[in-house]
Amino acid sequence: AAGVIQSPRHLIKEKRETATLKCYPIPRHDTVYWYQQGPGQDPQFLISFYEKMQSDKGSIPDRFSAQQFSDYHSELNMSSLELGDSALYFCASSLGDRVAYNEQFFGPGTRLTVL
Amino acid sequence: SQQGEEDPQALSIQEGENATMNCSYKTSINNLQWYRQNSGRGLVHLILIRSNEREKHSGRLRVTLDTSKKSSSLLITASRAADTASYFCATDGMGNTPLVFGKGTRLSVIA
Repeated sequence: AAGVIQSPRHLIKEKRETATLKCYPIPRHDTVYWYQQGPGQDPQFLISFYEKMQSDKGSIPDRFSAQQFSDYHSELNMSSLELGDSALYFCASSLGDRVAYNEQFFGPGTRLTVL
Repeated sequence: SQQGEEDPQALSIQEGENATMNCSYKTSINNLQWYRQNSGRGLVHLILIRSNEREKHSGRLRVTLDTSKKSSSLLITASRAADTASYFCATDGMGNTPLVFGKGTRLSVIA
C-alpha cells in the first residue's frame, strides 16, 4: 500500500539559507500535518491543512510557512535557517472526514541539518 | 494543552521479560495512539485505542486506557532485542486535531 512520501530525506543547509520540504500524502487523504522533532525530543506539531486550508497551527516559527496544493501535497518553506532548526521533520496524513478515528500515517521524515 | 507524559523515561530489561510503559495526559481525548521510533528514524504506528475502549491487543502488544485517570499503558510481552527503540504515546482531541506526543520511553532489550 502507498505510504506518505517525503522529500528530500536528508538536507544540509547553511545558516540563513532557505529550505523547502515536500510531503505527498497517502492517496485520497485530504489532511496533512507537519511535526518537528529535535534531537532527543518528542515530535512537536507545527501546522496542518485540511482540504487545502490551514486547519491548526502549533509552534511554527514566523520564518516558516506551509501550504497544501490542489493535489493535496504539502510544502514546508523555511527561511533564515538557524542552527536550532536542525531536526527531523515529519509529515503525516489522514482522512479528514473520519473525525472519530483520526489515525495519522507518518512519512519517513526529512532530516535537516543546519551548519 | 493536553500532553502525554510518559514514564519511565528509560527502561532496560532482559530479552524475554515484559516491558510496561505508562502515559498520562491532561485533557479529554478522542484517541490515544502508541508509536515506536528507532533511533533517528521514522515513527511507526503500533496501536490506536479509542476513548470508549479500555483494552486492546495486537500481537505481543497490550494497551490499556483509563480515561478516569487519564492514563494509558503499553505492555510488550516476551520482549526481543529488536524491540529496542523509543516508544511515544500521542493523544488527539475531538475532531481532526493534531497529535500531542509524550516525551517517550527509551526501551533497551538486552540479549
